[in-house]
Amino acid sequence: QSALTQPASVSGSLGQSITISCTGTSSDIGGYNYVSWYQQHAGRAPKVMIYDVSHRPSGVSNRFSGSRSGNTASLTISGLQAEDEADYYCSSYTSSISFEVVFGGGTKLTVL
Amino acid sequence: EVQLVESGGGLVQPGGSLRLSCVASRFTLGTYWMTWVRQAPGRGLEWVANIKEDGSETYYVDSVKGRFTISRDNAKNSLFLQMNSLRTEDTAVYYCTRSPPAFDIWGQGTMVTVSS
Repeated sequence: QSALTQPASVSGSLGQSITISCTGTSSDIGGYNYVSWYQQHAGRAPKVMIYDVSHRPSGVSNRFSGSRSGNTASLTISGLQAEDEADYYCSSYTSSISFEVVFGGGTKLTVL
Repeated sequence: EVQLVESGGGLVQPGGSLRLSCVASRFTLGTYWMTWVRQAPGRGLEWVANIKEDGSETYYVDSVKGRFTISRDNAKNSLFLQMNSLRTEDTAVYYCTRSPPAFDIWGQGTMVTVSS
């Protein structure tokens, strides 16, 4: 399976909004409603921020939102805060039978 | 608190074997698909293998097929990953995680280093 394509880095100032894109194909992002986004701080395990394209788990700030257009998914973070600085990974199922998953390469978010 | 705790990582020579374990607390592991995800030093996340609730189906990333075996013991609320014929490129932190629809619970990870 080929990895999903994410920008290596993005940056934004405190209080601003940023969007991270994640591009795949019709065999993953475009084919299933199972796109997720994970936040990972250095030395820590990942944490799910968005699942099923646009759903937010309980306890995740509503500053985080997800969307999809065709084969590209996006994560938007509004009102940037210092603690948002982390690596972000998108993922998508590639099969609804085996639940195999492909991840993006990750995006380093820097909060200025 | 719902949690997963991995163990079994360490330093092993190329060609060697390791068995990773993952124990679940405060939820019934047998009602979920479970997955192993790894992360090489300084690299991104990679899906490795998963297993159906009852263990009847297993799936692997191509690079570990024939070398790794995922299994579970639901009576002991435990997940395993038997890793044989290890290669230097298998060096990574290995996480067990609960799924689907998303990987909502992760362990702290266990480091596997393959080196001579």
